[in-house]
Amino acid sequence: AQKITQTQPGMFVQEKEAVTLDCTYDTSDPSYGLFWYKQPSSGEMIFLIYQGSYDQQNATEGRYSLNFQKARKSANLVISASQLGDSAMYFCAMREGYGGATNKLIFGTGTLLAVQP
Amino acid sequence: SQTIHQWPATLVQPVGSPLSLECTVEGTSNPNLYWYRQAAGRGLQLLFYSVGIGQISSEVPQNLSASRPQDRQFILSSKKLLLSDSGFYLCAWSVQEEVNQPQHFGDGTRLSIL
Repeated sequence: AQKITQTQPGMFVQEKEAVTLDCTYDTSDPSYGLFWYKQPSSGEMIFLIYQGSYDQQNATEGRYSLNFQKARKSANLVISASQLGDSAMYFCAMREGYGGATNKLIFGTGTLLAVQP
Repeated sequence: SQTIHQWPATLVQPVGSPLSLECTVEGTSNPNLYWYRQAAGRGLQLLFYSVGIGQISSEVPQNLSASRPQDRQFILSSKKLLLSDSGFYLCAWSVQEEVNQPQHFGDGTRLSIL
């Protein structure tokens, strides 16, 4: 069965430092996609970054980058130069399968990041 | 650009009362639509998804139902709410057949059952 694991319930980081949020996944499907979302205390889910299983390079979006290690089945999110506004819950998610119409996601349990001044 | 609207933002309901949460998407056609529930401090649980009008798939057995009367409208309902229905409900949409596209979420509804 497909599964997403986030082992860090909470993390602290000093402002302006980099932080890595861990995510491991389990799937027998050779084609899959990995997503990271940010959920501030207000509740909305904000899409951050995507990595496809066949992508040759690690995804980057501004201060966000994804450390994709396919053999280890890990897709860690790296946030560089942390800002106070980065304090939020972060969720890793995996798309089930490839093709078809559904595009369903499986979510991890999340990591609560607190950025300290 | 595409937008997703979800309402109400907050709802307090007594046990046994009915429920109707509405979600609409603008700026796209034939989207996939999803309803999630998030318990306090937990991850998201997919409740329902829809790939077209009148096409609803349920992911978990529960007290809730969903309907899609129009292409860009998704409704979550219950005839009689239970205490266990409390939570944060999120609606989302995604582009069909584009599997590398993310799901885009509404702002959510905080439902408290008394």
